Amino acid sequence: GAVVSQHPSRVICKSGTSVKIECRSLDFQATTMFWYRQFPKKSLMLMATSNEGSKATYEQGVEKDKFLINHASLTLSTLTVTSAHPEDSSFYICSARDWQGNSYEQYFGPGTRLTVT
Amino acid sequence: SQQGEEDPQALSIQEGENATMNCSYKTSINNLQWYRQNSGRGLVHLILIRSNEREKHSGRLRVTLDTSKKSSSLLITASRAADTASYFCATASGTALIFGKGTTLSVSS
Repeated sequence: GAVVSQHPSRVICKSGTSVKIECRSLDFQATTMFWYRQFPKKSLMLMATSNEGSKATYEQGVEKDKFLINHASLTLSTLTVTSAHPEDSSFYICSARDWQGNSYEQYFGPGTRLTVT
Repeated sequence: SQQGEEDPQALSIQEGENATMNCSYKTSINNLQWYRQNSGRGLVHLILIRSNEREKHSGRLRVTLDTSKKSSSLLITASRAADTASYFCATASGTALIFGKGTTLSVSS
């Protein structure tokens, strides 16, 4: 099946700094990618839908100026957590859609564990 | 936003027993999917059931869908310690997937 990678897999940063997380589709082109956030022992919450070449669509309650999303190519979307605070510590997961001939399939990255100290 | 609600939230069983998890959703769907997540890891797609299907099997997994009740169940038969994980149902909202709260399954040997 299609592969989606994320980098880094885990990152620790200090409060006030910015962190960039990359999501790549390795063997297919994805016009649409998604970013999710997951708190410990909780479900995945959709943060935003990232469309190649256009602005991301953010879910209600997600600050677009804090979570900057750039989908500059068909294989790469980035999520930048700006001026990170400890409450931004979380598990961030991306996914990408791939056309499978008669339907779209969605493939998930392995996640990025962000810890803000 | 969350579409699905799973129950139970947590389930502990012995190896060899069957595990049943339920999911309810709110809006009409084209399909419903089940995913598995090992602790601190990404998601693994288990099975997709379309709205015109009532039951689907894949190995030790059996999924049912009742669109009149807006509910689905995932049955894992003859469970193994390696089945210990969180299980989520997911439905589509536009192009994105919306996940339920999940069931944490613990299988002890």
